[in-house]
Amino acid sequence: AQKVTQAQTEISVVEKEDVTLDCVYETRDTTYYLFWYKQPPSGELVFLIRRNSFDEQNEISGRYSWNFQKSTSSFNFTITASQVVDSAVYFCALVQDNYGQNFVFGPGTRLSVLP
Amino acid sequence: EAQVTQNPRYLITVTGKKLTVTCSQNMNHEYMSWYRQDPGLGLRQIYYSMNVEVTDKGDVPEGYKVSRKEKRNFPLILESPSPNQTSLYFCASRGPGGGSPKNIQYFGAGTRLSVL
Repeated sequence: AQKVTQAQTEISVVEKEDVTLDCVYETRDTTYYLFWYKQPPSGELVFLIRRNSFDEQNEISGRYSWNFQKSTSSFNFTITASQVVDSAVYFCALVQDNYGQNFVFGPGTRLSVLP
Repeated sequence: EAQVTQNPRYLITVTGKKLTVTCSQNMNHEYMSWYRQDPGLGLRQIYYSMNVEVTDKGDVPEGYKVSRKEKRNFPLILESPSPNQTSLYFCASRGPGGGSPKNIQYFGAGTRLSVL
């Protein structure tokens, strides 16, 4: 069975602080994909990143970076110099193999960035 | 513009009154899904469809029905809604699987349903 854990239910930081959102996953598959989605207060789900299980390179996109470590089954997300607009619920998700249909989502982490 | 469109965005109904939430995508995607989002539980899959006339249950299918008569549409039907189906619902569509850059799931804006 697959499972995604986001142990941090809520995080509050002050603007310009760096913050890391943790994601730990469980799967028996050797081929899988990991995702991060952002859900701002308006409610829509915004795709941030996809990573496949064979690519452990870290990725940076502006103030966002992702650290994928298969050895610890983690796919952590760091926001550098956080801004108020980063306030949202962030979901980590896992889908098995190439044609997996069931995206398994973590419970989400609510990030509040205070001015 | 790639879009997944859900309607209505907000719905208040009473127990037992049948309702349908529509979902349409303009990306010619084969795969479509319905999720419900509840506090502390993240998103849980209700049903999914791999193509026209092909549907299957997700993790929480009880009390829901779906149909896929056309590729672009995937309505969610609650034949006899109950208060425990009060939730935020998302429709999603996805391109072909594998390493394709299109293997990204796009979500609709959500439908907030309250069953009294």
